[in-house]
Amino acid sequence: NAGVMQNPRHLVRRRGQEARLRCSPMKGHSHVYWYRQLPEEGLKFMVYLQKENIIDESGMPKERFSAEFPKEGPSILRIQQVVRGDSAAYFCASSPPRGTNEQFFGPGTRLTVL
Amino acid sequence: KQEVTQIPAALSVPEGENLVLNCSFTDSAIYNLQWFRQDPGKGLTSLLLIQSSQREQTSGRLNASLDKSSGRSTLYIAASQPGDSATYLCAVGADRGSTLGRLYFGRGTQLTVWP
Repeated sequence: NAGVMQNPRHLVRRRGQEARLRCSPMKGHSHVYWYRQLPEEGLKFMVYLQKENIIDESGMPKERFSAEFPKEGPSILRIQQVVRGDSAAYFCASSPPRGTNEQFFGPGTRLTVL
Repeated sequence: KQEVTQIPAALSVPEGENLVLNCSFTDSAIYNLQWFRQDPGKGLTSLLLIQSSQREQTSGRLNASLDKSSGRSTLYIAASQPGDSATYLCAVGADRGSTLGRLYFGRGTQLTVWP
């Protein structure tokens, strides 16, 4: 049973470009969470999604950031017009539809903005 | 707003010692608490999950306790080994209200176990 998969593992973008991060949850998991880890800081919640629904996006900046989890395919975190302050590690986690809400994390995407 | 604090921030010990890592949180209305391990440049590995109704969980050399009323959790590592060297993160799961599902993380305890 494969774990949470994220790609790419490393992404380099120039200021003003778009970054697109992908997350495939564990098999059978329908809840996806995105977290951001800035250098020298703890992980911060960004957004919580279920299939085709955004449940809680209160941790996500209102401009330039968007997330989706379509009926088919991976969850996507999209950052438009990236700035240097977006450089961070972005982690995706998933949990099953029922039960303890234990979250399982992917290896992360490390975004560097030049 | 939930605040999670971990003490100490860093710990360096010789192999074989028993360790206690501390986590405190400000809002006792939690759904669960998870302890994770993070190796440099890697993702998070879930170690233990304690539901809000539980007092402790054990897995191998690890034991985690939860005192919800006082807002504290401890992670006990028995007979530490160099392979235990990593950053240990405490994360509190929000109660199923307006912030359902999200985890609030501490900054972590960076553990080094030397041979």
